[in-house]
Order: sequence, then structure tokens, then C-alpha cells
Amino acid sequence: DIQMTQSPATLSASVGDRVTITCRASQNLNGWLAWHQLKPGKAPKVLIYKASSLESGVPSRFSGSGSGTEFTLTISSLQPDDFATYYCQQYNSYSLTFGQGTRLEIK
Amino acid sequence: EVQLVESGGGLVQPGGSLRLSCAASGFTFSDHSMDWVRQAPGKGLEWVGRVKDRASNYATYYGASVKGRFTISRDDSKNSLYLQMNSLETEDTAVYYCARRGPNLHWDYWGQGNLVTVS
Repeated sequence: DIQMTQSPATLSASVGDRVTITCRASQNLNGWLAWHQLKPGKAPKVLIYKASSLESGVPSRFSGSGSGTEFTLTISSLQPDDFATYYCQQYNSYSLTFGQGTRLEIK
Repeated sequence: EVQLVESGGGLVQPGGSLRLSCAASGFTFSDHSMDWVRQAPGKGLEWVGRVKDRASNYATYYGASVKGRFTISRDDSKNSLYLQMNSLETEDTAVYYCARRGPNLHWDYWGQGNLVTVS
């Protein structure tokens, strides 16, 4: 299975900050990487797919970049609604696997 | 509007069985592969498995921790996805989500989840 290493585990930031989350894969993903946002009691939401494509309806302050085995999710200017947990996920090959998650909390 | 609604969760004893359902609406269910994903309390996300569409002969794939114990199926006439869980272990305690595999091959919609407690 492809191992996904995500960092940091926790990120403290303020409204308006620019933040970046990193995800590293143990093998080349050929771009097949997504980023998901989770909030307690709500359906998870996909933000980015194919490493850098913005899902329809997702604010443009979210962006994804990277290739091969190194990927990043950037939020350009944090909004109150963005405090949540974020997961990278590879869908290059079975078993589909996730990073360990990044909890984004208010500083 | 695409909707995925899970049901069937609850409390079950170790060694027992449970079947989860996921009711889909707002799209042509038969055209999409569907997945189950879970999140144990205080833990990260774990992929459970997938059932593909009729064009792919309803092929199924499973994560290592559930293979041989869980079975994923679907009924396209009822727009429903199922997860049959047998030989349940305390480690299977989790919120279980269903997710739609979209035309761009990623999960574009998720359900809100359903809690299964094995105790």
C-alpha cells in the first residue's frame, strides 16, 4: 500500500493567515491526490482533486499543488469557516490511503 | 441535489453482524462506483472498500483490515449501497461514510456518516 505522510498534525493560525499543509507519498501518485475537509457532525467535503483542480463550489482561497510524491494544500487567507481537519488522500492505486490529518485550530 | 444518507448503525456485540445502507438520490446511481470510508473515534480516515458500476461488472475491492469479514453490494433498482459487516471487532467501532466516485475519478460527494459501536 502507498503510505501517506501529512504534516503538520496540528496547525494554529489566525483569521487572515496564509497556511500550507504538506503531504508526501511513498510512491509516485501520477497526480491522483485529493484533499478533504472534515467537520464534526457534517459530511466531509472534497476541496481539491487531481492534485490541483478546485472542486466546484469551493472558494478560490483553497489551492493545491505538487506532483510525483510531494503535494501541498494552501489556504490563502483563513476564514472562520476553515477551522477544521484536513486530509490528503491518494487514489492512484488500491488500497486507497489517507494522510494522518491536520487539525487547523484558531490561535 | 446529490444526497447520500447512511442508516443501519448502532450498538452490536463483538462477533456480531450489522448491515449499513446508503440511500442515494439526485443522480443516476447506476453510473457511479461507490465507496465506504470509516473514521474510528479520535483517529483518521480509513478506506473500507468499493463496488464498481455495472459496466465494470460490479467488481469489489476491500481494505486489508476488513477483507473476508465485510461485503459491499448495491441495488441499482433501489439506488442503494450496502455494507454487510460480519465478525465485528471492537476496532470496527467508527463512523461509516458512503462516498460517490465522480466522473473525475475522485470522491465528489460524501454522506454524513453513521456510527457503529462494537462493544
